[in-house]
Amino acid sequence: GENVEQHPSTLSVQEGDSAVIKCTYSDSASNYFPWYKQELGKRPQLIIDIRSNVGEKKDQRIAVTLNKTAKHFSLHITETQPEDSAVYFCAARIYSGGGADGLTFGKGTHLIIQP
Amino acid sequence: DAGITQSPRHKVTETGTPVTLRCHQTENHRYMYWYRQDPGHGLRLIHYSYGVKDTDKGEVSDGYSVSRSKTEDFLLTLESATSSQTSVYFCAISESGGTEAFFGQGTRLTVV
Repeated sequence: GENVEQHPSTLSVQEGDSAVIKCTYSDSASNYFPWYKQELGKRPQLIIDIRSNVGEKKDQRIAVTLNKTAKHFSLHITETQPEDSAVYFCAARIYSGGGADGLTFGKGTHLIIQP
Repeated sequence: DAGITQSPRHKVTETGTPVTLRCHQTENHRYMYWYRQDPGHGLRLIHYSYGVKDTDKGEVSDGYSVSRSKTEDFLLTLESATSSQTSVYFCAISESGGTEAFFGQGTRLTVV
């Protein structure tokens, strides 16, 4: 099955700096890669996603890049703000061939924005 | 937020007892999922459903069963709860199978 590795497990950056979180996946058939943000005690919320037919996607201060050849994808947050502090999860779509695919998640990155 | 509700939100139960968690959606999405979240493991797929009465196993299905008799409801049952099933359980829904999944608020289950 699919395996997703996520690094780093903890990332501390100064407010206003950029943050980068990286993930690798094992199944070359995976074709959908979402990122979720989870605040303490809350549900995971989708913040951005990318499909395998594009290499980069941006939404304001957030961007995701995908390298299919190397099987890795990254989340980039620019001009970080205190409200960006949370746990971020990457995920990859499990390709089962049956059309009822779920997601395999990385173990999460705790992003800390230092004032 | 997508119309998805989990119940109960918190539950404490004893080892060996059966437990059922409910996920209810108002979005009429075809796909529904149950995940568990544990420190150091992220979210792991337990079971999923791709239609009424159509379900399949995920990565960590041992000790769990599911049922979906209506589009809007997806039930997760622990036949005989064990301490290793203490976790936070999240339900998710998706319109198009695996893409753009939206999560419920979660159920914190403690097995003592």
